Amino acid sequence: AQSVTQLDSHVSVSEGTPVLLRCNYSSSYSPSLFWYVQHPNKGLQLLLKYTSAATLVKGINGFEAEFKKSETSFHLTKPSAHMSDAAEYFCVVSGRLFGNEKLTFGTGTRLTIIP
Amino acid sequence: SAVISQKPSRDICQRGTSLTIQCQVDSQVTMMFWYRQQPGQSLTLIATANQGSEATYESGFVIDKFPISRPNLTFSTLTVSNMSPEDSSIYLCSVGPGGTLRTEAFFGQGTRLTVV
Repeated sequence: AQSVTQLDSHVSVSEGTPVLLRCNYSSSYSPSLFWYVQHPNKGLQLLLKYTSAATLVKGINGFEAEFKKSETSFHLTKPSAHMSDAAEYFCVVSGRLFGNEKLTFGTGTRLTIIP
Repeated sequence: SAVISQKPSRDICQRGTSLTIQCQVDSQVTMMFWYRQQPGQSLTLIATANQGSEATYESGFVIDKFPISRPNLTFSTLTVSNMSPEDSSIYLCSVGPGGTLRTEAFFGQGTRLTVV
C-alpha cells in the first residue's frame, strides 16, 4: 500500500522569496517519488523525480527536493519564486504492480506568487 | 520516453450518452492507466489496463460505467457511459514508470469532458 500527503492545500509567497511545498509519503516498498506541476488548463509536467539514487534531486526551473527516509518526506523547494511558478503542484509516489508501477497522487498544493 | 496522443481533447455531451476516449502510445507498453481529475481536484486512478486481460478497477469505479479496451500494446480506450453532469472532469491516460528504460510516468494531454 502507498499514500502521499501534501500538508498544505494552498501556499502564497512573494516573488523572489523561497518556496517550500511539503510532502510526506507512505510506501510498502522502496518508493519512487515525483513532483509534477500543472499550470491552468495545461497538462502535467514532471518537475523532478527520486528513484533511489542521490537523495537531493534537482529538477527543472530551479526546483529541488530532498528525500528523507527517516522523516518519510519529499519536500519541494526553490530559492526564489518567480511569477511563472504560480500553478498546482502534485507530489506523487509510485508502487510496484506486476513489475510496473502505478502512481498515487497527493491532493495538490496551489502555489500563488504575490507580486 | 513515451509520447501519448489522446483524443478528443475536449467534448460537450448530453446526459445519458456515452463518450469513448482514445489513447495511442508511440511504443509498446505493458500497462496503461486511466485517471480522472474532477474540477479543482487531484488525479484519481480509475483503472489499470493490461493487454490481453480485463482491466483492474479501483475502488469506486466499475466496468459498466467505465468500460476499457486494450486491443494491443500501444492503444487503449476508455468509455464514459450513461453520462451525468457529475462525470464532468478531465480524463487522462498514462503509462507509468517501468523497468530501467522508463523511470517516470508520461501523460496524455487529457480529455476535458463537460456533461450538460
